[in-house]
Amino acid sequence: AQSVAQPEDQVNVAEGNPLTVKCTYSVSGNPYLFWYVQYPNRGLQFLLKYITGDNLVKGSYGFEAEFNKSQTSFHLKKPSALVSDSALYFCAVRSNSGYALNFGKGTSLLVTP
Amino acid sequence: EAGVAQSPRYKIIEKRQSVAFWCNPISGHATLYWYQQILGQGPKLLIQFQNNGVVDDSQLPKDRFSAERLKGVDSTLKIQPAKLEDSAVYLCASSHAFTSSNEQFFGPGTRLTVL
Repeated sequence: AQSVAQPEDQVNVAEGNPLTVKCTYSVSGNPYLFWYVQYPNRGLQFLLKYITGDNLVKGSYGFEAEFNKSQTSFHLKKPSALVSDSALYFCAVRSNSGYALNFGKGTSLLVTP
Repeated sequence: EAGVAQSPRYKIIEKRQSVAFWCNPISGHATLYWYQQILGQGPKLLIQFQNNGVVDDSQLPKDRFSAERLKGVDSTLKIQPAKLEDSAVYLCASSHAFTSSNEQFFGPGTRLTVL
């Protein structure tokens, strides 16, 4: 079964510092990977996706993610964190049947001033 | 473009009662998903529709949950009877076409509390 793991429940970063939110995947075949962000009392918002091609994927709000096949990872990154980036981040992989998403448990990002 | 609409936003019921949630996807989106998000966990697919047909309902507890999308547009998800463990946020999502690369757009969710 297609699955992702997010090893960190929470990541704390000071504003202006780079941030990384980790995600590893386990799939059969080629992975289709996604990152979503969830703000309080709001639905999930799409950030970026990896389908094929360049291993560095750029997305919304200055986020990017690096696909690493040898390490089966798809870490989310941002060069300079903002307080407004504080939210819950979910990594997801497309399932083999029906193209629904299998989500990780989420990582809470806290950016302090 | 308008986003995915869901109602109600919040619902509190007692166990063994019934409840229904409504979702209106983005106009033109053929694929509709219902996910259940329990506190502290990622969303889990309950059911997926392509137009008005079911693509995947393998994780839907069919003894108590049902869903329909009669005209291939909006959808309802029903729980009857509800259990305490059904307390969760129910998220509706839609995507434009039935392809692997299309991102899904999520509604704000309905937060259900079962007492």
